[in-house]
Amino acid sequence: DIQMTQSPSSLSASVGDRVTISCRASQAIINHLNWYQLKPGKAPKVLIHGASSLQSGVPSRFSGSGSGTDFTLTIHSLQPEDFGSYYCQQSYTVPKTFGQGTKVEIK
Amino acid sequence: EVQLLESGGNLVQPGESLRLSCEASGFTFSNSPMSWVRQAPGKGLEWVAGISDSADRTWYADSVKGRFTISRDNSQNTLYLQMNSLRAEETALYYCVKGEKESPGHYYFGYWGQGTLVTVSS
Repeated sequence: DIQMTQSPSSLSASVGDRVTISCRASQAIINHLNWYQLKPGKAPKVLIHGASSLQSGVPSRFSGSGSGTDFTLTIHSLQPEDFGSYYCQQSYTVPKTFGQGTKVEIK
Repeated sequence: EVQLLESGGNLVQPGESLRLSCEASGFTFSNSPMSWVRQAPGKGLEWVAGISDSADRTWYADSVKGRFTISRDNSQNTLYLQMNSLRAEETALYYCVKGEKESPGHYYFGYWGQGTLVTVSS
């Protein structure tokens, strides 16, 4: 199975800050890497697919980059509504594995 | 608007069975691969099972292989997860997820339901 290692596990940042979350795959997955946002009481939603494609309707302050084994999610100017947990996930092969998540708190 | 409505979650004892359902609307169900993903309390996301659009292929996490069965009824726009021999550690919120095709053989989880809670406890 492909292991996905995410860092940090949590972070606290101020509104307007640039936030970066990293994700590393245990083997090359080309660009088959996706990012999801989870908030309590709401359905999870996809932010980025294919490593860098912004899902329709997602604010442009979110961006993704990387290929092979190393990937990054960047929130360019953190907003109050961006609190929650973020997960990377590889769609290269089965089982479709997730990172352990990053909890984002607003200072 | 894509809607995925899960049902069937309940409190059951270890070793018992449960069947989850997911009613889909707002898209052509028979064209979409589907999956179940779960999240145990205080834990991360875990993919459980997936099924192709025509139901000719299914995939399972090793942890549920042989005990869970994913299926679908394209005439009823409904996805199912039959769960047998449930374990306490499988207490979780179970999400129904619509796959979005990215390239041949690859898809991401484009739409999620709100989830249905399964509690396994004596």
